[in-house]
Amino acid sequence: SQWGEENLQALSIQEGEDVTMNCSYKTYTTVVQWYRQKSGKGPALIILIRSNEREKRSGRLRATLDTSSQSSSLSITGTLATDTAVYFCAPYQGGRALIFGTGTTVSVSP
Amino acid sequence: NAGVIQTPRHKVTGKGQEATLWCEPISGHSAVFWYRQTIVQGLEFLTYFRNQAPIDDSGMPKERFSAQMPNQSHSTLKIQSTQPQDSAVYLCASSLGQGSNSDYTFGSGTRLLVI
Repeated sequence: SQWGEENLQALSIQEGEDVTMNCSYKTYTTVVQWYRQKSGKGPALIILIRSNEREKRSGRLRATLDTSSQSSSLSITGTLATDTAVYFCAPYQGGRALIFGTGTTVSVSP
Repeated sequence: NAGVIQTPRHKVTGKGQEATLWCEPISGHSAVFWYRQTIVQGLEFLTYFRNQAPIDDSGMPKERFSAQMPNQSHSTLKIQSTQPQDSAVYLCASSLGQGSNSDYTFGSGTRLLVI
């Protein structure tokens, strides 16, 4: 079983559209990290949200965290072709290694 | 800072042969992780080290897979008697620590093809 499960596996959108992807996880956490993986590269952290933040913004990215429903979301506004990637959520689980799951593939057409 | 370095980038082995994958973590990072990525299974955790000591190998197939970290500057993942189902991208990551603020820096991976 995976700690974090992205709810939607693949999305195809046009440049300029907004996109939201969701993640639910099995065990209580106070921190969720979101990673982006571009083709041929390893995943890279794009935003980290803590339970006391409820919402966190970084440029065109917006993350939310709901500890009561054990879920997190990541939104990208005004998508660009360069946002094409696989997105992973990774709930923090103490000293254990992060578990990433299958991710959500986002394809943005110019 | 060259980031996490993984070599080779691509490796093709014949079924039954051995494959050794190398990882050089970021200097000063105390934790090193190995993951395997396939289309079907996604990004699967294999094993990790903290200060060179093995901490958790719960994701490692019990037979044929082994990982070592002989010094703080490199780690290896060895697959003996490779099988076609071992074909995947193997990713190494390192982090400064294991606290909630610690993010992982990944290498670009080694794409292993077993034929």
